[in-house]
Amino acid sequence: DTGVSQDPRHKITKRGQNVTFRCDPISEHNRLYWYRQTLGQGPEFLTYFQNEAQLEKSRLLSDRFSAERPKGSFSTLEIQRTEQGDSAMYLCASSRTGGGYGYTFGSGTRLTVV
Amino acid sequence: GEDVEQSLFLSVREGDSSVINCTYTDSSSTYLYWYKQEPGAGLQLLTYIFSNMDMKQDQRLTVLLNKKDKHLSLRIADTQTGDSAIYFCAVTDSNYQLIWGAGTKLIIKP
Repeated sequence: DTGVSQDPRHKITKRGQNVTFRCDPISEHNRLYWYRQTLGQGPEFLTYFQNEAQLEKSRLLSDRFSAERPKGSFSTLEIQRTEQGDSAMYLCASSRTGGGYGYTFGSGTRLTVV
Repeated sequence: GEDVEQSLFLSVREGDSSVINCTYTDSSSTYLYWYKQEPGAGLQLLTYIFSNMDMKQDQRLTVLLNKKDKHLSLRIADTQTGDSAIYFCAVTDSNYQLIWGAGTKLIIKP
């Protein structure tokens, strides 16, 4: 297993378009997290899954954002009708349940909305 | 809500020790982490400490925890140019989710 993979690494899109990002977690990790990070800030929690169940969504996550994790494996994050304020790095992480393991992060997808 | 605070910048000379500090508010935090982020990259787990420990050493890294004051620090001995990065402190909440600081940018002077 090579770690957490995210695809694409970079995405440039026009305002109003829909975009979808993919995350492949470490196979034995049952938790998967999506974060957003803007320049000079720490990661901002968006949502997380335990297996295929989406257990929590941030209040900051508008209804234009949706995430899925079918079959508890890879996950997708879709942003509909993108806005310039959505420009950020989108980070995926996975972990085992419980503490002490920390999260393993992917390299992120940098989204630029023009 | 719960909060994690870090100073935004730290500047040290190459070869000196760097000490990055973090304070948090959640007294139930069980695990406390330090992550490193280099420019354009994801977050790399450096080390962590369990709340019943007060110190952990791992090669050039030393983590100190003062649970009474809710203060966590990361000491990097013999700081090198490759240590230039942003260092994030993160602590678990009651559901083992992480609460993050805003990061400390470590600047190395030659």
